Amino acid sequence: EAQVTQNPRYLITVTGKKLTVTCSQNMNHEYMSWYRQDPGLGLRQIYYSMNVEVTDKGDVPEGYKVSRKEKRNFPLILESPSPNQTSLYFCASRGLAGANYEQYFGPGTRLTVT
Amino acid sequence: DQQVKQNSPSLSVQEGRISILNCDYTNSMFDYFLWYKKYPAEGPTFLISISSIKDKNEDGRFTVFLNKSAKHLSLHIVPSQPGDSAVYFCAASGLVSGTYKYIFGTGTRLKVLA
Repeated sequence: EAQVTQNPRYLITVTGKKLTVTCSQNMNHEYMSWYRQDPGLGLRQIYYSMNVEVTDKGDVPEGYKVSRKEKRNFPLILESPSPNQTSLYFCASRGLAGANYEQYFGPGTRLTVT
Repeated sequence: DQQVKQNSPSLSVQEGRISILNCDYTNSMFDYFLWYKKYPAEGPTFLISISSIKDKNEDGRFTVFLNKSAKHLSLHIVPSQPGDSAVYFCAASGLVSGTYKYIFGTGTRLKVLA
């Protein structure tokens, strides 16, 4: 089954404790992206990657890091989480061939930073 | 600066009637537009899309209209069904200032009343 998986689904942590949210897709997609969803603000792009070793900032990259060492994986790293990073996070992927811009989303990771 | 706007946070419609969800964008460099549907505790799922070279695209009960001069798109759902109750996000994509952008609106919560 074609899918995007994220782990963990729920995470409660404390300020300053480094964490990683994993994202993996099995569709051989070149493009992967991370979003955060906050009430009244919709989905905002954090980082995206057009292919292995190619990453770029989205609209809200501050406080986050990413890496793309393999095509299927795109982890999101919070080196020193702060309470304003409490949010619902989504990973997404899409293929770059053809004119289909549709993204496939993971189920989400709800992060609480206290 | 919200480049993609959904000005109606919520909408209630009677089952069987038409639902019209609206979306406005500000940047004429966007060349592809998409609608996603999101249920609670799930990631967004792709619904329908339209290229900037078209003004209408239909898929079953769902039709998207694009008015480029007004920088406005709308999603029509006819007839509306209770299972359509969800949050709907519009998204715009394109190469803006040398950077690939994929920007979501803030979402509209649709409630279809049985």
